[in-house]
Amino acid sequence: GAGVSQTPSNKVTEKGKYVELRCDPISGHTALYWYRQSLGQGPEFLIYFQGTGAADDSGLPNDRFFAVRPEGSVSTLKIQRTERGDSAVYLCASSYGTANYGYTFGSGTRLTVV
Amino acid sequence: AQSVTQPDIHITVSEGASLELRCNYSYGATPYLFWYVQSPGQGLQLLLKYFSGDTLVQGIKGFEAEFKRSQSSFNLRKPSVHWSDAAEYFCAVGAGNTPLVFGKGTRLSVIA
Repeated sequence: GAGVSQTPSNKVTEKGKYVELRCDPISGHTALYWYRQSLGQGPEFLIYFQGTGAADDSGLPNDRFFAVRPEGSVSTLKIQRTERGDSAVYLCASSYGTANYGYTFGSGTRLTVV
Repeated sequence: AQSVTQPDIHITVSEGASLELRCNYSYGATPYLFWYVQSPGQGLQLLLKYFSGDTLVQGIKGFEAEFKRSQSSFNLRKPSVHWSDAAEYFCAVGAGNTPLVFGKGTRLSVIA
C-alpha cells in the first residue's frame, strides 16, 4: 500500500481481555517495527521483524505481549490479560532494509484498558 | 546502549521567529540521526536524517539540522516558524540493524 496502515485506530477493552492490533506495512518493506507511546513520552521499542522472524524482541515488557508476522508482510501484536498500564498508542513502522533508511510510521492504534 | 536526550519539554516561539530544538545522543560509534514530527493524533513523519558526509542536513518543511560530533548533538533549526509547525518533535538515534531509540520529545507551541 501507499503507507503503513494500522487497525483499529482506537480500541477500548476491559481489563483482563485479549486484544490484537494489526499493522499492514508498505509493500516491499522487509523490516517492521512495533513501538509503544505513552502520554507525554517518546516511542518505546517493543519488537522488530526482518522478514518473518523476530530479529529483536527485547522491548516486549513481559510474556503477555506477543507479535507475529507469518508471511513477512502483515503483523499482529497480541496482548493477553490486558492491564490498565497497557493503555497507550501502539505505533507500527516499516522500512526498506535496516533502520538506517528511516522508518515510515502508521497513525497508530490508541488502546484504552478500562 | 544508545540514548537520546531532548532537554526541552516544551518551547513556545512567536510566528516568524527562529527555532532551535536541542538533541544530545549517546552512542559508541558513528550514529545515524533522525528528526521526526508528530501532529496531534497522527503518526510520526520523518523530517530529516544524517548518515555521513556534510554535517548540515536539509529536510522537509524548511527544517535543517547540524551534526556536531564534539558535542554529541544534532539540533534542529528553522529560520522562520509558521503556526502550522506547532507539533511534537522527536530526535532518534540508530545504527546498523538496531532499532531506533527516540527521545522523549519537545512540544512546540507557536503564538501570534
